[in-house]
Amino acid sequence: GDSVTQMEGPVTLSEEAFLTINCTYTATGYPSLFWYVQYPGEGLQLLLKATKADDKGSNKGFEATYRKETTSFHLEKGSVQVSDSAVYFCALVNTGNQFYFGTGTSLTVIP
Amino acid sequence: DAGVTQSPTHLIKTRGQQVTLRCSPKSGHDTVSWYQQALGQGPQFIFQYYEEEERQRGNFPDRFSGHQFPNYSSELNVNALLLGDSALYLCASSSPDWNSPLHFGNGTRLTVT
Repeated sequence: GDSVTQMEGPVTLSEEAFLTINCTYTATGYPSLFWYVQYPGEGLQLLLKATKADDKGSNKGFEATYRKETTSFHLEKGSVQVSDSAVYFCALVNTGNQFYFGTGTSLTVIP
Repeated sequence: DAGVTQSPTHLIKTRGQQVTLRCSPKSGHDTVSWYQQALGQGPQFIFQYYEEEERQRGNFPDRFSGHQFPNYSSELNVNALLLGDSALYLCASSSPDWNSPLHFGNGTRLTVT
C-alpha cells in the first residue's frame, strides 16, 4: 500500500543553518506530494506541494522537489529561523482521496 | 475568511462512553475528512464525507461513525470509548478534487480515562 517514510528527529539547528528533512514514499501511479507544518497546539498547515515528477514546491524559503526516480520529496531551507521551530510532516495522496502522512520530524532552531 | 473550526477543543470522557466532535469546513469547501493523531505520530485517516455521504473510509472500526450536513459541516461520533482512543482528532476540509490540499482545524484533544 501507499506509505511515507520520514527522517526521524528531533533535529536541532542553530539559526541560519541549512535544513534538510528527508522523505521517501511508496505508491503506485503518480501521487501528489505535500509538506505540512504543525506548531504547538495547532492543526497542520500546508507548507508546499508538488503534483508531478520534477515539480518543485516552494513557500516561505522552503523547497522540495518531486523525484520519481528516487521516490523522494526532501524538504530544504537555506537559512532557518527560530520561528521555523515546529513539527514537519511529509504526506502523499493517490487517486483514493486518502492522505498518508509520515510520523513527523520535530525541528528546534536555537538562537 | 473563516478557516476550519472544530469544537470542543478539549474533552475528557470515561471508558465506554460515547463522544461527538464537530467541524465546520473552510468557506468554499464541500469535502470534510477526519484524522486521528496519536501523540508523536502522523495523522491517520478515519473517513471522508462528500455530498453527505461517506466517500472513503480508513482502517477504523465501526465504533467510529460520522455525518455530514447540508451546510457541509460534519460530526465524528465514537461509541464505546477505549483508552486507546485518546488522541487529537483533526478535521480537514478541501475541494472534491482527489489531490486538493487539506486545510486543517486545530483539533479536538480527547482524553479517555
